[in-house]
Amino acid sequence: GAVVSQHPSWVICKSGTSVKIECRSLDFQATTMFWYRQFPKQSLMLMATSNEGSKATYEQGVEKDKFLINHASLTLSTLTVTSAHPEDSSFYICSASGSVHNEQFFGPGTRLTVL
Amino acid sequence: GIQVEQSPPDLILQEGANSTLRCNFSDSVNNLQWFHQNPWGQLINLFYIPSGTKQNGRLSATTVATERYSLLYISSSQTTDSGVYFCAVDGGGGNEKLTFGTGTRLTIIP
Repeated sequence: GAVVSQHPSWVICKSGTSVKIECRSLDFQATTMFWYRQFPKQSLMLMATSNEGSKATYEQGVEKDKFLINHASLTLSTLTVTSAHPEDSSFYICSASGSVHNEQFFGPGTRLTVL
Repeated sequence: GIQVEQSPPDLILQEGANSTLRCNFSDSVNNLQWFHQNPWGQLINLFYIPSGTKQNGRLSATTVATERYSLLYISSSQTTDSGVYFCAVDGGGGNEKLTFGTGTRLTIIP
């Protein structure tokens, strides 16, 4: 149990375009979903926390107008990177929690390359 | 915010060896999780362990919450154990946010 999927697993896009990443909890209802970013050889950094049906809470330094998060249902959250630039190239990972003790389960990640 | 430090940063071992990875945190925690990130980037849940001791096969973990540290033990290492091991903690506040440590990169040599 506790499987989280992400789509796409990798994407290459041109500078200035927008990219949408989906995160789904497949076998449980996720009251809260999280979006992280990981640069090469570094740890995971939390970008934002989203709760179903409400606005996401962004970490300090993360532009909410650039990284749009929608958590429309208890099994789906989306992250849209708007007007992507090369510096947005990174590994984006989502997680979901829904258990009583709030253990987080992670998706396989999406590798974004902006040319 | 809460600080999380892991040691050692890198560890190279021969197959069959045992290892101990450490995670220190700066404040009390509601949640502590250990993960293994495989070469493809997938984070695999190893333990949910805000306190106490747990074992799962060749892996075990102990968290001493009062002293603010957790240990991950790997016995009889295999090459498939290679990767980066992260601990992550939720320092409370009701938002469930996990703060990740810097990780330990483990390389098991055949």
